[in-house]
Amino acid sequence: GAGVSQSPSNKVTEKGKDVELRCDPISGHTALYWYRQSLGQGLEFLIYFQGNSAPDKSGLPSDRFSAERTGGSVSTLTIQRTQQEDSAVYLCASSLVGGMLPQPQHFGDGTRLSIL
Amino acid sequence: GQQVMQIPQYQHVQEGEDFTTYCNSSTTLSNIQWYKQRPGGHPVFLIQLVKSGEVKKQKRLTFQFGEAKKNSSLHITATQTTDVGTYFCAGVDLGGYQKVTFGTGTKLQVIP
Repeated sequence: GAGVSQSPSNKVTEKGKDVELRCDPISGHTALYWYRQSLGQGLEFLIYFQGNSAPDKSGLPSDRFSAERTGGSVSTLTIQRTQQEDSAVYLCASSLVGGMLPQPQHFGDGTRLSIL
Repeated sequence: GQQVMQIPQYQHVQEGEDFTTYCNSSTTLSNIQWYKQRPGGHPVFLIQLVKSGEVKKQKRLTFQFGEAKKNSSLHITATQTTDVGTYFCAGVDLGGYQKVTFGTGTKLQVIP
C-alpha cells in the first residue's frame, strides 16, 4: 500500500524566498507530525495535527514557519523568507490514533531543503 | 514540557560486541516506542512497550521498559554491520493527547 509521500524530495532555493513542502499521509491516519533534521542530528519536533483538534505548534522555531492540514489529509509546511539555517531535511510522519495509546509513526522520505 | 534524553550520543563498537542505549524521560510515560534510522534513510518503527517492567525481544535486540515507566533500554547482542544507524526512543507522557516525543538518539557505528 502507499506510504507517506513527501514532495519535493529536494529543494534548492535562494535566501529570502518562500518555500512550500507537501506531505500526503497514509489514508485514514488522523495524526500527522512535521520534524526537522539537520545533518547528523536528531529529530526536531515542529508541529502536530490530531484530527479536528487545534494543532500543537509549540515546536515551530519562528513565525516564518507555518503549517496547515486541509480536510484532515494533506499537509503543507510553509517557510517564509528562508534563511541559511533553515537548510535541513524536513520529515513528515503520520499515524493512526486508536484507544489510549499512540500508534507507530510512518515516515516519508523527507524533503531535503538547501538555502543558498 | 516533556524531555526525553538518550545516552550515549554516539557509540563505536567492534563487530560482535554488545551495545546498549538508554532512554530517560523527565515525566512518567504511558508507553514507549523505539525507531531505527539507517544512514540516509528515515526512522522506521521497531517496537512499542506498554507495561511497567516489560521486556520484549526481536532476535538479537532486547527492549526493556523501566518499572517506574520513566526509562527504557535497547540492548543489541553481538552487533553486526547491518545494525549501523541511529536508534531513537519516543514516548508519550501520561495525560498527553497522544503526542509522541522523540529522544535525542544514539548513533551506532559498527567496525567490521
